[in-house]
Amino acid sequence: KNEVEQSPQNLTAQEGEFITINCSYSVGISALHWLQQHPGGGIVSLFMLSSGKKKHGRLIATINIQEKHSSLHITASHPRDSAVYICAVRAPTGTASKLTFGTGTRLQVTL
Amino acid sequence: AAGVIQSPRHLIKEKRETATLKCYPIPRHDTVYWYQQGPGQDPQFLISFYEKMQSDKGSIPDRFSAQQFSDYHSELNMSSLELGDSALYFCASSLSPDGRETQYFGPGTRLLVL
Repeated sequence: KNEVEQSPQNLTAQEGEFITINCSYSVGISALHWLQQHPGGGIVSLFMLSSGKKKHGRLIATINIQEKHSSLHITASHPRDSAVYICAVRAPTGTASKLTFGTGTRLQVTL
Repeated sequence: AAGVIQSPRHLIKEKRETATLKCYPIPRHDTVYWYQQGPGQDPQFLISFYEKMQSDKGSIPDRFSAQQFSDYHSELNMSSLELGDSALYFCASSLSPDGRETQYFGPGTRLLVL
């Protein structure tokens, strides 16, 4: 069982739909990242969360530390949102500084 | 704003050759991370450096070595290349390794070993 699991693995939505991607993890963390990877490979960091909720434009990320769960929401989705969205967790402060990645959710938004 | 720079962006090598990948972090960032993403796979952590010292080590083969220089740029040296080393190699940088600062990713170096 992976330490970081995402669902769904693949998601197709129509333009304008509200999208939710879920991430569950089984280890202690100091922070959780949501990353976006476009075709061609470049990775962009969307959010880093350690508690609560963050919002940036049409993107909202939430985390529940007790339940070890995070969600990424996209409101009013657009074809340019099509990408792979990756959840990655960071080990507790003072130990390893690396990120452990989830398997990613491939999102396709159509017109 | 300046981002993480990686060079080269693409590299083709033959088996048993060597390759050197370079990473230039965001100015004033003191921590560099290397990740490897094989075709269709999740990125895997290789190694990280903080203030020119190795900070953490992941699944980096013994054939690979890396270092961080006085100007904080880092180089990943890969020797005796194998077909399975073909992957996208990401570098990321942050200000301090303690998890309170986000990691910023470079565009990656796509390595193809023939």
